[in-house]
Amino acid sequence: QSVLTQPPSASGTPGQRVTISCSGSSSNIGSDYVHWFQQLPGLVPKLLIYRNNQRPSGVPDRFSGSKSGTSASLAISGLRSEDEADYYCSAWDNSLSGWVFGGGTKLTVL
Amino acid sequence: HVQLQQSGPGLVKPSQTLSLTCVISGDSVSSNSAAWNWIRQSPSRGLEWLGRTYYRSKWFRAYAVSVKSRITINPDTSKNQFSLQLNSVTPEDTAVYYCARGSDGYLGYWGQGTPVTVSS
Repeated sequence: QSVLTQPPSASGTPGQRVTISCSGSSSNIGSDYVHWFQQLPGLVPKLLIYRNNQRPSGVPDRFSGSKSGTSASLAISGLRSEDEADYYCSAWDNSLSGWVFGGGTKLTVL
Repeated sequence: HVQLQQSGPGLVKPSQTLSLTCVISGDSVSSNSAAWNWIRQSPSRGLEWLGRTYYRSKWFRAYAVSVKSRITINPDTSKNQFSLQLNSVTPEDTAVYYCARGSDGYLGYWGQGTPVTVSS
């Protein structure tokens, strides 16, 4: 069981906007930043969003992140076929003194 | 530009020790602003942080409770790398293992991943 909770799947059609949720607790999301990773099939997780809503260089502005209390969301607008991947949220857990992750959300572009 | 290059065997027998190395380029294992992590991923356990080492005037190590009795992460300053040793492995330790740099509060750089199978 992952410490952070994500829906196992999400889907959308090209051009649509989809959101993926991530729920945690006061010891992780509630007290620290949330980060999001994109993992394309067979590849290494790639940092997509850091510090709740910051995009690394090269990440399109179609991807955005937000956080409220002990929950966070990743939004993808203008959905494209190449966005089909697994998405993971992550945060530092101050009680466990380590990184925790969500179980991942498999995004399907219909 | 930071790069992490992993190496190590892909097959380990049950009860033996899993050993992996992560060579760092573009940064220093002795950096006062980075931490060097090991993470694994399996279908049954998802992404799981295993532990980290970092230097802040002296060396620190921190491990996940789930593996604390079996794990050692060591820096090697002469080769600018760090290593993972996981003892007494079982088939439950079969996973893809990643090294990753933590800096500025996030895991920004990852190694290429090493699939490890525990089997006789």
